[in-house]
Order: sequence, then C-alpha cells, then structure tokens
Amino acid sequence: AQSVAQPEDQVNVAEGNPLTVKCTYSVSGNPYLFWYVQYPNRGLQFLLKYITGDNLVKGSYGFEAEFNKSQTSFHLKKPSALVSDSALYFCAVRAAFSGAGSYQLTFGKGTKLSVIP
Amino acid sequence: DGGITQSPKYLFRKEGQNVTLSCEQNLNHDAMYWYRQDPGQGLRLIYYSQIVNDFQKGDIAEGYSVSREKKESFPLTVTSAQKNPTAFYLCASSTSRPTGENTIYFGEGSWLTVV
Repeated sequence: AQSVAQPEDQVNVAEGNPLTVKCTYSVSGNPYLFWYVQYPNRGLQFLLKYITGDNLVKGSYGFEAEFNKSQTSFHLKKPSALVSDSALYFCAVRAAFSGAGSYQLTFGKGTKLSVIP
Repeated sequence: DGGITQSPKYLFRKEGQNVTLSCEQNLNHDAMYWYRQDPGQGLRLIYYSQIVNDFQKGDIAEGYSVSREKKESFPLTVTSAQKNPTAFYLCASSTSRPTGENTIYFGEGSWLTVV
C-alpha cells in the first residue's frame, strides 16, 4: 500500500520569506510524486511532479520541490512567498511502473498555507 | 479551451433521492476519475475508468455508481444508499501510460448538499 503524510495542517509565513510545505511518502519501489494547489471552492491545479532524474524539480508559479530518496520526502519550496500563494497544498504519490489498473494517485490530507502581508 | 467541465457547481439532494453529477473532458484522455473531498480528509477515490465501457471501484464506492459510454464523459450518480453524501466532488482525467507518470488533471468540482 502507498501513503502520503503531510505533517503540518497549517503553515504560516510572512510575505517575502521562503516557504516550505513538507511531504513524506511510503511506496513499494520507485515513486512518482506530485504537488497540487487548491484555492477555495476550486479544483486542484497541478504544480509539479518528480518522475526521475534531477532531485530538484521546478514547477509553476516559482515553486520547486526536492526529492530525497533516503528520507522518503518531497518537500515543496518557494524562495519568496506571495500573499496570492495562500491556498491548500496537496502532495500525492504513485508507485512507478505499477502497471495497468494503478493510475490513481494517493493524496495527503493537505496543508493550508497562509502568507501574511 | 481544453479542459474538464463539471456540472452543476452546486446541487441539493433530498433524502432518498438519486442525483447525477456530470463530467465532460475534451483532453482526449483515456482515464477518468471521481474523488470525494471532505474537510481535513484529503481526497478519496470513488471510481475510476481506464477505457470506455470499463470502470473500477475505488476506496469508497459504496452508494455511488458510474458509467463510461463515451470517452469524453464519466457521470457519477449518488444514490440514496450513500448515507452521508454532503461533500465536494472532483472529476479528473489523465492519459493512461502503464509506466504511471501520467499527470491527473482536475475539474472545478461540484458541491453536493443533502437538505
């Protein structure tokens, strides 16, 4: 079974400061890892994903994430937070090469990011 | 524009009624999904379909039904057997490469409330 943990229900950061949203995962074999953002009353928007290769993945809106295999982590980061980054962030995992019937992602419970002006 | 369209955005259900949520995509994706979102619980998979005329139960399929008669459409029916249907429902789609690196894309969601 695969699982995702987002240990912080809420993260508060001042505008202009760097932000980190934490994610750890458990999966058999190699992982495919994803980050999504959700604004109030909206669907999830894809930010970035790690498939293979460089451990630092760059995505939309200036976000990046670092894959750490030894720590089974995939933390989301941004060098300088904006008030407009305030939203709910979801990490998700799928086992690589898991074959037909395994397209679905397992999501964490989400972390609410609040960027304070 | 390419995307996933869910309707209606808001739906109210009386006790004992079945209601159907619509989901249409024009991304030419083979796979489609329905998730349920409750506050503080993340997303839970209800049903998914990898191809027309085929679908599989997810983690919380009881009280729900789906059909996949067309590639573009994957409607979800919330039946009267679903005892706690009030939630935000998200439809999604993706390509279906067996290697698994497919990105899942989401619609804007539908709110269902029992009255």
